[in-house]
Amino acid sequence: GQQLNQSPQSMFIQEGEDVSMNCTSSSIFNTWLWYKQDPGEGPVLLIALYKAGELTSNGRLTAQFGITRKDSFLNISASIPSDVGIYFCAGLNYGGSQGNLIFGKGTKLSVKP
Amino acid sequence: NAGVTQTPKFQVLKTGQSMTLQCAQDMNHEYMSWYRQDPGMGLRLIHYSVGAGITDQGEVPNGYNVSRSTTEDFPLRLLSAAPSQTSVYFCASIKRGALSTDTQYFGPGTRLTVL
Repeated sequence: GQQLNQSPQSMFIQEGEDVSMNCTSSSIFNTWLWYKQDPGEGPVLLIALYKAGELTSNGRLTAQFGITRKDSFLNISASIPSDVGIYFCAGLNYGGSQGNLIFGKGTKLSVKP
Repeated sequence: NAGVTQTPKFQVLKTGQSMTLQCAQDMNHEYMSWYRQDPGMGLRLIHYSVGAGITDQGEVPNGYNVSRSTTEDFPLRLLSAAPSQTSVYFCASIKRGALSTDTQYFGPGTRLTVL
């Protein structure tokens, strides 16, 4: 089946640092999504991207839809302790049902105060 | 709105037992899905539904059944539980149209252990 390769698997950073993570795929997607999951909770959608090249921000978070439609990245600026969690990318491909999202394996972010 | 609710929150089963994980949403969303989350594996789609009466298989459907008799409910049935089904199960609902932060929600999860 289709796979999303998400990297890095984990990150340990100091509070105030910027963070960057990305997802790549061998398949084209028409929508890229970025989620955050806190311990014991379900994922929460942070940003949705719909067009190749699109750059979208949500507070300190910025995500881009790659020009090739096969990749996306998420940046977090000036990290704070509450940014801790697992970040997932997800894709929805052409012709796919909106119920059928494909997820990366996640990036676990740890922030040292 | 209560959003997406899942019950139970925790469950322990013995191998061979059956049970139903409940999922309900009160937002009139057309799409509902079930995912399982295993350590290091991300979320994998089990089954999904694009509307009442319509269901389809995802990536890992074996051992699970679903039905969608109403827009609100999308139960997941384990007919004969196996240890390999030990996982955290998430239900999601999506409103038809462009995905956005206010049209797509996950439930809080059901943590299932099969002994």
